[in-house]
Parts: sequence; structure tokens; C-alpha cells
Amino acid sequence: DARVTQTPRHKVTEMGQEVTMRCQPILGHNTVFWYRQTMMQGLELLAYFRNRAPLDDSGMPKDRFSAEMPDATLATLKIQPSEPRDSAVYFCASGLVGSDSGANVLTFGAGSRLTVL
Amino acid sequence: AQSVTQLDSQVPVFEEAPVELRCNYSSSVSVYLFWYVQYPNQGLQLLLKYLSGSTLVESINGFEAEFNKSQTSFHLRKPSVHISDTAEYFCAVTPWGAGSYQLTFGKGTKLSVIP
Repeated sequence: DARVTQTPRHKVTEMGQEVTMRCQPILGHNTVFWYRQTMMQGLELLAYFRNRAPLDDSGMPKDRFSAEMPDATLATLKIQPSEPRDSAVYFCASGLVGSDSGANVLTFGAGSRLTVL
Repeated sequence: AQSVTQLDSQVPVFEEAPVELRCNYSSSVSVYLFWYVQYPNQGLQLLLKYLSGSTLVESINGFEAEFNKSQTSFHLRKPSVHISDTAEYFCAVTPWGAGSYQLTFGKGTKLSVIP
């Protein structure tokens, strides 16, 4: 089965450090999403890309978060500097999203669990 | 904008008993509806979806959900649960039409199946 691969699976870091999370979407998918999951807020959409172009990053704190897609096989989410409130599980998802009525189905990665001390 | 309400944050149920996980949504436009399942330490997996046609949709592992437009609901049901169904279940919606990229999720319902 095709999978979305996320690295690292777990990351513990100290406040102020830079954190980079990586995602390899499913080959052929044209849209990549970054979600954050916490107990308090549930699943929050941070950003998404279509055909590698950023479409919406309004869910991200702009001063410290950045998301990029340097090529079709890699999406990155960077936090600099990290803060304890960034502790969460970050999910990447990819999909073939477009005009087809059945296309809005996402495949999620296993997540990157971030702990900022 | 869309919103999704999952009325129960936790649902304990005995093995082989029936279960219903409730989902209501709000939207000014027509939507597609989804249920995703998250097993411990894993990502979300699509369980079933409603796009059009029959309002009753089924998954391969015995779950079903019924779209009720008048009540803006998409409740998930299973007549007899197994231990392996223990997981968190998320209801989600996305608006119709080209360019509808954004899924809006509910807060999730944790289903605990008791032996």
C-alpha cells in the first residue's frame, strides 16, 4: 500500500531550538496538508499545498512556523524557535484533490510527536 | 465556513454490544462527509465517506453511517463491536466542488470496547 512517510516519529527538544519535520507524500498526490493534534484543540489545519504551491497557511503562527515543499517528494514544517506550547502530534496528509467528486480523500502519515521542554 | 460537533468525547461499550457515535455539522453549502479512525499511535485512516447517492454508507469492517440532511447529521453505527474497534473516531466535512481542499474535523470520540 502507498503510504505517507513522516520523520521523525518522536522528537524531544528544548525551548528555543529549531525543529524540522519532514513528510514524503504519496507519489502522484497533488495536495499536501499539515495538521496539528492536541488534547485541547483536537485537529487543526496548519497549512496546505497544491502542486507544491502554498494555498493556505492561515492556521500557522507566522512568526515561528514555516512550511515548504522543495520538491514533489518532500514537504517540511519548521518551528524556530520552538516553545513548550508547540508540543503536539503533527500529521502530514496527502491527497488527489480536484474537481472529481470522489477525490477529497486524504491519506495520513503516522505523525511526528513533538515534545518541547 | 463549516463546523463539526461530535457530541460525545468518550463512549465506553461492552464487546458485542451496538454503538452509535454522533456527528452533527453546520454549513452554508453542501458538503461531503467522512469518518476517519485513529488507532493508538497511528495516523488517521478513512473509515467511510458520503459523497452522493444513497444516504447509507458502509465500511468493510461493519460500520455504517447515515446522512440526514434535515438534521445535518452523519452518525456512525455498528451493531456489534469488537475489542479491535477501540480507537478514536473523527467526523469531518468538506464543501462540494472543485477547489474544496479543506477538511474540517470534529474533536473526536474515543470508543473504548470493554471485554
